[in-house]
Amino acid sequence: AQSVAQPEDQVNVAEGNPLTVKCTYSVSGNPYLFWYVQYPNRGLQFLLKYITGDNLVKGSYGFEAEFNKSQTSFHLKKPSALVSDSALYFCAVRALTGANNLFFGTGTRLTVIP
Amino acid sequence: ETGVTQSPTHLIKTRGQQVTLRCSSQSGHNTVSWYQQALGQGPQFIFQYYREEENGRGNFPPRFSGLQFPNYSSELNVNALELDDSALYLCASNLEASGVEQFFGPGTRLTVL
Repeated sequence: AQSVAQPEDQVNVAEGNPLTVKCTYSVSGNPYLFWYVQYPNRGLQFLLKYITGDNLVKGSYGFEAEFNKSQTSFHLKKPSALVSDSALYFCAVRALTGANNLFFGTGTRLTVIP
Repeated sequence: ETGVTQSPTHLIKTRGQQVTLRCSSQSGHNTVSWYQQALGQGPQFIFQYYREEENGRGNFPPRFSGLQFPNYSSELNVNALELDDSALYLCASNLEASGVEQFFGPGTRLTVL
């Protein structure tokens, strides 16, 4: 079975500071991992994915994520937070069989304080 | 924008009623998935359609059903609505069933009273 965990419901960071949103995964085999962002009353917007290759993945809007196999983690990072980054962030892992659907974490609300 | 649209934006129904939600996928995307996102939760997989056939299903009862049409549109039907069905319903399309990235629509907010 596949699953992801986002241990923090809420992350607050000052504008201009680096941000990290944490995600750990559980999957047998090689994981396909994703980060999505959701703004109020909007659907999910794709940020980045890890399939294979370089452990540091760069995505949209200056975000990046580091895949760490030994720690089964896929933390989302950004060097300098913007107020407009305030949103709900979801980590997801793709099912290895069947419909290849996504299993999502419970989400982390990021608030960037001006 | 992902090119995936959903209608309606919001919907209010009463318990026991039936509802149909609609999704229009990106042109050429022959796979559509539906997810339910309850308040404060991550999206949960309902089912997937590939070339008009159900291709997989999550842990949802049979009163959740779907259709996919040749014109890249699809429907989610829910019968005998329950209060717990209140949620944001998201559809997502991808180019093939094996495609890695799913493109999500803006969702339909369903409220069951």
